[in-house]
Amino acid sequence: EVQLVQSGAEVKKPGESLRISCKGSGYSFTSYWISWVRQMPGKGLEWMGRIDPSDSYTNYSPSFQGHVTISADKSISTAYLQWSSLKASDTAMYYCARQSQDGYNWDYWGQGTLVTVSS
Amino acid sequence: QSALTQPRSVSGSPGQSVTISCTGTSSDVGGYNYVSWYQQHPGKAPKLMIYDVSKRPSGVPDRFSGSKSGNTASLTISGLQAEDEADYYCCSYAGSYVVFGGGTKLTVL
Repeated sequence: EVQLVQSGAEVKKPGESLRISCKGSGYSFTSYWISWVRQMPGKGLEWMGRIDPSDSYTNYSPSFQGHVTISADKSISTAYLQWSSLKASDTAMYYCARQSQDGYNWDYWGQGTLVTVSS
Repeated sequence: QSALTQPRSVSGSPGQSVTISCTGTSSDVGGYNYVSWYQQHPGKAPKLMIYDVSKRPSGVPDRFSGSKSGNTASLTISGLQAEDEADYYCCSYAGSYVVFGGGTKLTVL
C-alpha cells in the first residue's frame, strides 16, 4: 500500500527555523517526484515546488522560490520542507503529494502537517 | 503567476448534475492537457478525481467527468450524492510550475 506519512504538528516562534518531513512507503521512492502544497487557514491549495528524489533536482513555484527549501534523503525514503526563518504568514497546513508517472497530477497525498507560527 | 479562476460555490440537489468551471490562460489550461481535479472534504487531504483533463483514476465513480475547451476546463458531477459535498480544486501545469484554482465549495441541497 502506497503511503506518505508526514511529521507531526509544529508550533514555532517568528524567526525560528523548521524542517518537516514526508516518508514514502509501499513504492519505489526514487521513481516518483514529490511535491509540497500549502493550504493557509480557510484558503485554497498552492503548489510550492517539487523534488526528484533520485537526484534531488528541485523545481519551485516563483511564489515560494527563495522562501523555502525542498530536499530529500533517498536512503530513508523521506522528503523535507524547511524554513530558515519562519514568519507568522507561514502558518498553514502543508501537504506532500506524490506526482504520478502519467504527468502533472498527484495520486497520493500525505495527511498534512499543521505549522503554527506565533509569538 | 495567478491562480486559476473557479466559482466560489455551486449547489445542486441529490440526483442532479453540476458543473464546475476552471478558467486559466493559454499558458496553463489552454496550453497543456495536464488539468487535474481534486476533492477535499473538511479536515482531510485532497483526493485526485480527474487527471489529464478527462481521465479517471481507478476507484473514482464514473459520475465524475472532465473536459476542456480553450482556456477553460470543467468538472461535471452527475447523479449528485450527499458525499459529494466538498471543496473542489482544479490544477494545471503551466510550463515550469503548477497552478491551482481558488477552489469551489459544492453544496448538496
